[in-house]
Amino acid sequence: NAGVTQTPKFQVLKTGQSMTLQCAQDMNHEYMSWYRQDPGMGLRLIHYSVGAGITDQGEVPNGYNVSRSTTEDFPLRLLSAAPSQTSVYFCASTRRSGNTIYFGEGSWLTVV
Amino acid sequence: TQLLEQSPQFLSIQEGENLTVYCNSSSVFSSLQWYRQEPGEGPVLLVTVVTGGEVKKLKRLTFQFGDARKDSSLHITAAQPGDTGLYLCAGGDNNDMRFGAGTRLTVKP
Repeated sequence: NAGVTQTPKFQVLKTGQSMTLQCAQDMNHEYMSWYRQDPGMGLRLIHYSVGAGITDQGEVPNGYNVSRSTTEDFPLRLLSAAPSQTSVYFCASTRRSGNTIYFGEGSWLTVV
Repeated sequence: TQLLEQSPQFLSIQEGENLTVYCNSSSVFSSLQWYRQEPGEGPVLLVTVVTGGEVKKLKRLTFQFGDARKDSSLHITAAQPGDTGLYLCAGGDNNDMRFGAGTRLTVKP
C-alpha cells in the first residue's frame, strides 16, 4: 500500500533557488495538507486543500505556494528558498468524513 | 507560545518503568489525538479521544481526555525499547490540526 508518497526525500538548495516538493496519495482522500516540523516547534500547517481546485493557507504559508489540480496530487513550491525554510516537510491526507491523518515519510530540506 | 503544550519535552527511562506524558491547552477541543513518530518517518495515529473524561487503552498505553476537554495524558505501563519515539498530541479540525511540540521518549534496555 503506497498511502502518501513524497519526493524527494532529501534536498539541498542554495538561497534564492526554487523547487517543488511532490506529494501524491492513492487513498482518494479529499483533504491534503503540508506541514513543516522544526525542533521544539512541533508540526505547523503550511497550506491545505479540501478538494481539487481548492487551497487555503495554514499557520505558516509565507514563501510557499500550492495547487491541487487533481485529488491525488498536492505539490508544494518554494518560490525563493531562504535558510529559515530549512526543515522537515510532511505531506498528509485525510478522508473528509474521517479524523485520521495519514502522513508521508517526510522530505528533509536544507537551504544554504 | 504553542497552542498545545506537551511535557516533559524529553524523557529517558529504563525498560520496565512506567511513565506519563501530558498535553495541555487553554483551549477546548472537540477531540484530541495522539501520534507516535519514529526517526525518519511520519507520525502515525495512536488514538483519538472525543468525550471529556474518556479513557482509552491500547495494550500498555492508556490515554485520558480531561473533563474540560482542554488536556490529555498518555500513560505507558512497563515501557519497552520499542516504545521509543516522539509522542505528539494534536487537536482541531481535519483541515486545521494543531500539534504540540512532542515528548521525545527513550526507553533503555
